Amino acid sequence: KQEVTQIPAALSVPEGENLVLNCSFTDSAIYNLQWFRQDPGKGLTSLLLIQSSQREQTSGRLNASLDKSSGRSTLYIAASQPGDSATYLCAAPAGNFNKFYFGSGTKLNVKP
Amino acid sequence: EAGVAQSPRYKIIEKRQSVAFWCNPISGHATLYWYQQILGQGPKLLIQFQNNGVVDDSQLPKDRFSAERLKGVDSTLKIQPAKLEDSAVYLCASSPSSGANVLTFGAGSRLTVL
Repeated sequence: KQEVTQIPAALSVPEGENLVLNCSFTDSAIYNLQWFRQDPGKGLTSLLLIQSSQREQTSGRLNASLDKSSGRSTLYIAASQPGDSATYLCAAPAGNFNKFYFGSGTKLNVKP
Repeated sequence: EAGVAQSPRYKIIEKRQSVAFWCNPISGHATLYWYQQILGQGPKLLIQFQNNGVVDDSQLPKDRFSAERLKGVDSTLKIQPAKLEDSAVYLCASSPSSGANVLTFGAGSRLTVL
């Protein structure tokens, strides 16, 4: 079974700061890893999917890295904005048929 | 393309009553997932379908939860009888296959059991 841990559980930063969210997983035999965003009362929106053959994936101000050997992924958010306030979750697959296991998320608050 | 549709969005029931949730995945997506998300926690996989077959239901409380996927398209998740601890958001997701593909989630169905 895959255990996914996200640190920190909550983060509050002033607008404009660059920040890093961390995700660790126990089973490194993964094909990919996904980062999601969840706004209050809403479903999950996929932000980035990193394949195991990649080390980084970028989308706009977001950059996700993957280090399978150490069981870690990071999500870097550049020049944070109040609209980035949400909960960020990572999901790593394991086992047959790639069941996705989620961390508990990092709740981000970007203050104007 | 249309997203993953779920209904109802909200449901309030008394304990020991039954409830059913419906999900319509993205057209052509072979894999469908039901997740349970309790407040403050990450989603937990309840059941995963590949077309209309179950590939994993190891975390589904089978004494009260059941799910089916008709003709490999729509899916329903049923809880009978409901317990207080079933209060959660039930999320449906789909992907083109069970391989290295992006999960697309619906908006979720929020269940409150009184």
